[in-house]
Amino acid sequence: DAKTTQPNSMESNEEEPVHLPCNHSTISGTDYIHWYRQLPSQGPEYVIHGLTSNVNNRMASLAIAEDRKSSTLILHRATLRDAAVYYCILRDREGGGADGLTFGKGTHLIIQP
Amino acid sequence: KAGVTQTPRYLIKTRGQQVTLSCSPISGHRSVSWYQQTPGQGLQFLFEYFSETQRNKGNFPGRFSGRQFSNSRSEMNVSTLELGDSALYLCASSLGLTSGPPNTGELFFGEGSRLTVL
Repeated sequence: DAKTTQPNSMESNEEEPVHLPCNHSTISGTDYIHWYRQLPSQGPEYVIHGLTSNVNNRMASLAIAEDRKSSTLILHRATLRDAAVYYCILRDREGGGADGLTFGKGTHLIIQP
Repeated sequence: KAGVTQTPRYLIKTRGQQVTLSCSPISGHRSVSWYQQTPGQGLQFLFEYFSETQRNKGNFPGRFSGRQFSNSRSEMNVSTLELGDSALYLCASSLGLTSGPPNTGELFFGEGSRLTVL
């Protein structure tokens, strides 16, 4: 699986936007970019995913660079509940549907009140 | 709808024992995957089952095994426990489809089973 690189930690203030970067310079043409997050004492939860175009959902936005070698998860207005470890993951769509995720270390997002 | 249920939530075992963990997926989901989470190694993929067949396997020794039943419920077993097996074991379920938009399926995780080996 292609690897992703994320900052170890980031800090932001409550009610401000947060931009979480992810580098994936060896991404292949068939890799989807997925984001999951893990709140304290919980299992990971899906946030968003995309292939080439920017994506929006109720939780966040995903901005994908034109060359697809990097992406940014955007939380438009962070709350204390958004404090979590955020994982950027590549999933090969040719993987035959076998749903194993390769997690990196992720970014520990700290939200200050 | 009900989420992914893992039992037991906490357990303590001693070295050399074996342990069985259970995972009940979301109704209608046919894929169950298992992960080990430790402070040092982070989240690591163990294996994935779909329709009672193991489809994918991570890099873990043969002491780690699993199975899936016809109702999609899954169990994982760790034999001859070692201190290093102390971890949070997470189960995730998904539709696991191989047709349609491939590999875009969201995974739903349980809260995990925390195993302590003494």
